[in-house]
Amino acid sequence: GQQLNQSPQSMFIQEGEDVSMNCTSSSIFNTWLWYKQDPGEGPVLLIALYKAGELTSNGRLTAQFGITRKDSFLNISASIPSDVGIYFCAGRVNYGGSQGNLIFGKGTKLSVKP
Amino acid sequence: DAGVIQSPRHEVTEMGQEVTLRCKPISGHDYLFWYRQTMMRGLELLIYFNNNVPIDDSGMPEDRFSAKMPNASFSTLKIQPSEPRDSAVYFCASSLRRAGANVLTFGAGSRLTVL
Repeated sequence: GQQLNQSPQSMFIQEGEDVSMNCTSSSIFNTWLWYKQDPGEGPVLLIALYKAGELTSNGRLTAQFGITRKDSFLNISASIPSDVGIYFCAGRVNYGGSQGNLIFGKGTKLSVKP
Repeated sequence: DAGVIQSPRHEVTEMGQEVTLRCKPISGHDYLFWYRQTMMRGLELLIYFNNNVPIDDSGMPEDRFSAKMPNASFSTLKIQPSEPRDSAVYFCASSLRRAGANVLTFGAGSRLTVL
């Protein structure tokens, strides 16, 4: 079945640093989504990507839909303490007119450097 | 809109008891999803509905799990009998299908602990 590999699994950030994470798939996806989950809450959508090569920004966040349609990355510039949390990538293949299931990566946990 | 509303937020029960989790999707959304999140397996899709009809329940672990959507504004996920391995956070999400969109909005989750 379809699988998403998300990396890194975890990382420590220092305020002001840039952060980068990515997802790769064994299959071609039509949609890539990036979510953030804070402790005790549900995932919240950050960025949605619908076309190969698409580069989209949301404030300090930038995400790209890979040209091969098998990968996507998320960058966070000038990180701040409230960026900590778990970031999930998710991909979907649309079969004909149907919804298709959203496949989630295992997440990248962002923590503040001690 | 208040978003996706789930209840209870926390549930602690004993093995063998019945558990019912509830979800109110965003008004007007035509898709509803139930996910389970654990450390080991991450976010897993259990079942999803389109216009109140179950479309894919292949993720439901076993017959102890059942889900219903009697109307567009309410869904339940039931576990009977519950087991300790069912302990997880259960998320409900809804979406509206339209061209170029169709992203999921999640509720805050129901944390289930089965002793």
